[in-house]
Amino acid sequence: DIQMTQSPSSLSASVGDRVTITCQASKDIRRDLNWFQQKPGKAPQLLIYDASNLETGVPSRFSGSGSGTDFTFTISSLQAEDIATYYCQQYDNLPQTFGGGTRVEIK
Amino acid sequence: QVQLVESGGGVVQPGRSLRLSCVASGFTFSNFAMHWVRQAPGKGLEWVAVITYDGSNKYYADSVKGRFSISRDNSKNTLFLQMNSLRVEDTAVYYCVRNYGSGSYRISAFWGQGTLVPVSS
Repeated sequence: DIQMTQSPSSLSASVGDRVTITCQASKDIRRDLNWFQQKPGKAPQLLIYDASNLETGVPSRFSGSGSGTDFTFTISSLQAEDIATYYCQQYDNLPQTFGGGTRVEIK
Repeated sequence: QVQLVESGGGVVQPGRSLRLSCVASGFTFSNFAMHWVRQAPGKGLEWVAVITYDGSNKYYADSVKGRFSISRDNSKNTLFLQMNSLRVEDTAVYYCVRNYGSGSYRISAFWGQGTLVPVSS
């Protein structure tokens, strides 16, 4: 199985800050990577697919980059409504696997 | 609009069985592969299973292989997850998720609201 190592596991930042989360795959997954946002009690929301493509309706402050084994997710200017847990997920191979999540809080 | 509505969750004892259902609407159900994803309380997301658009192929996470069975009824726009020999560690919210298309497996933006399955004696 492909392991997805996500870091940090949590972070605290101020409104307006640039926030970066990394995700490392245990083998080459090309660009077959999703990024999800999950708020408490809600289903995950897809933000980014194919490593860098913004899902329809998602604000442009969210972005993704990377290929192969190393990926980055960025919030260019953190907003209060971005408080959530973020997950990377690979779909290059079955079983599809998720990173452990990054909890983002406001400082 | 796309809607996925799960049902069938509830408290179940270890070793017993439960069947989850997911009714789809707002799209041509028979054109899309479908997934189940689960989330234990306070934990991360875990992919459980996928079924092809026509039900001809099914794949499972090792943690549920041999105990869970995914199926679908395209005439009723319904996805199922039959869960047998349930364990305490199967306690989770179970989400029904649409695939991006009928081809390669890629979880899409379309998720149900989830149904909670507590496994407890």
